[in-house]
Amino acid sequence: GAGVSQSPSNKVTEKGKDVELRCDPISGHTALYWYRQSLGQGLEFLIYFQGNSAPDKSGLPSDRFSAERTGGSVSTLTIQRTQQEDSAVYLCASSLGEGGAYQETQYFGPGTRLLVL
Amino acid sequence: EDQVTQSPEALRLQEGESSSLNCSYTVSGLRGLFWYRQDPGKGPEFLFTLYSAGEEKEKERLKATLTKKESFLHITAPKPEDSATYLCAVQGYSSASKIIFGSGTRLSIRP
Repeated sequence: GAGVSQSPSNKVTEKGKDVELRCDPISGHTALYWYRQSLGQGLEFLIYFQGNSAPDKSGLPSDRFSAERTGGSVSTLTIQRTQQEDSAVYLCASSLGEGGAYQETQYFGPGTRLLVL
Repeated sequence: EDQVTQSPEALRLQEGESSSLNCSYTVSGLRGLFWYRQDPGKGPEFLFTLYSAGEEKEKERLKATLTKKESFLHITAPKPEDSATYLCAVQGYSSASKIIFGSGTRLSIRP
């Protein structure tokens, strides 16, 4: 079946503007994760959803970052008042979420490349 | 604090030249160690999960091994299509939900 999809694939915005990034997980996957990957850096965990709930949002770097998930499927990551340091690739992953989500294989989307000018 | 360090940062090999990538980790109780492959412009692709020291897993030309302090990804007789960035990640019991990723090793295989 289809893999994880993300949109847009690229986003260029001006400092101070808000952006929304979308993730469509694999059908039937109840667990969803957002990561950020900066140039030359490892992946940084942002938030984890199980269904529509976010049991762990400890990785969100500031209150400008928020995420929601509706219908146990699509998730949106919103960055308000973007700053240049927000420029990065934002990756979404999903997994079955059936038992101990963090021991399950996570399947990643292609990412959204965000550039804040 | 859980930490993952990968070495080398970059590795260039001739086709057929076997080598190993290293992942050193510090974690308070290991729940799992993960290896991913990432091609340019794409998301990471899952390769292996290792759970306990002594465990080994293989897939084609790749073999992952695990000790109490590090993991190795052995590449045997690599081909140009094995060129990618290889990422290591760990999840510890104390970090609860977080998976900590290393910064990766960029592998380049010359024909």
